[in-house]
Amino acid sequence: EAGVTQFPSHSVIEKGQTVTLRCDPISGHDNLYWYRRVMGKEIKFLLHFVKESKQDESGMPNNRFLAERTGGTYSTLKVQPAELEDSGVYFCASSQAASGVPNEQFFGPGTRLTVL
Amino acid sequence: QQQVKQSPQSLIVQKGGISIINCAYENTAFDYFPWYQQFPGKGPALLIAIRPDVSEKKEGRFTISFNKSAKQFSLHIMDSQPGDSATYFCAATSPFSDKLTFGTGTRLTIIP
Repeated sequence: EAGVTQFPSHSVIEKGQTVTLRCDPISGHDNLYWYRRVMGKEIKFLLHFVKESKQDESGMPNNRFLAERTGGTYSTLKVQPAELEDSGVYFCASSQAASGVPNEQFFGPGTRLTVL
Repeated sequence: QQQVKQSPQSLIVQKGGISIINCAYENTAFDYFPWYQQFPGKGPALLIAIRPDVSEKKEGRFTISFNKSAKQFSLHIMDSQPGDSATYFCAATSPFSDKLTFGTGTRLTIIP
């Protein structure tokens, strides 16, 4: 079974440009999460989708970030316009529907974003 | 404010030795504490997890020790092997949210 996939693996853009990251979760997983790790720091939560609905977007840094999950399948994270501090590794994770116990989150390999 | 503090930042252990990574948390609402292992070029993967109703959980060479009163938990890797070289993250979640709150990570290197 395929794991969580992310595209692209690397992206280098200039300040002010737009970048869109894509995540394909494990088939059948209703929960999709976005996280970000700035170099040397902790992995920080950005937001959580349940199917196509945003369950928790408390970690989104500002309105330059827009996440969507069309039809409850794949998700995109758009940064517009990108700033230097947006550089980092963006991880996507997915998990099965909640059943009253913590669900294991399966992570993708990440997209390394560099803003110059 | 960092809710989960992890140390050390990096660790070098000889093959066969014991690797110990420590974490401390602030939020008493946390009720699930997983450890994730990440190899270069890969995403973090769940290694082992514990709930605060037990003080220790062991899976093979990996053990989590949990001290609820001190709000601390640690990962012990017994008989460390070169294949254990990776970055390890402690994390925590609360019953109110699925989101993982991570520590800053520990880069572990096992030398022959």
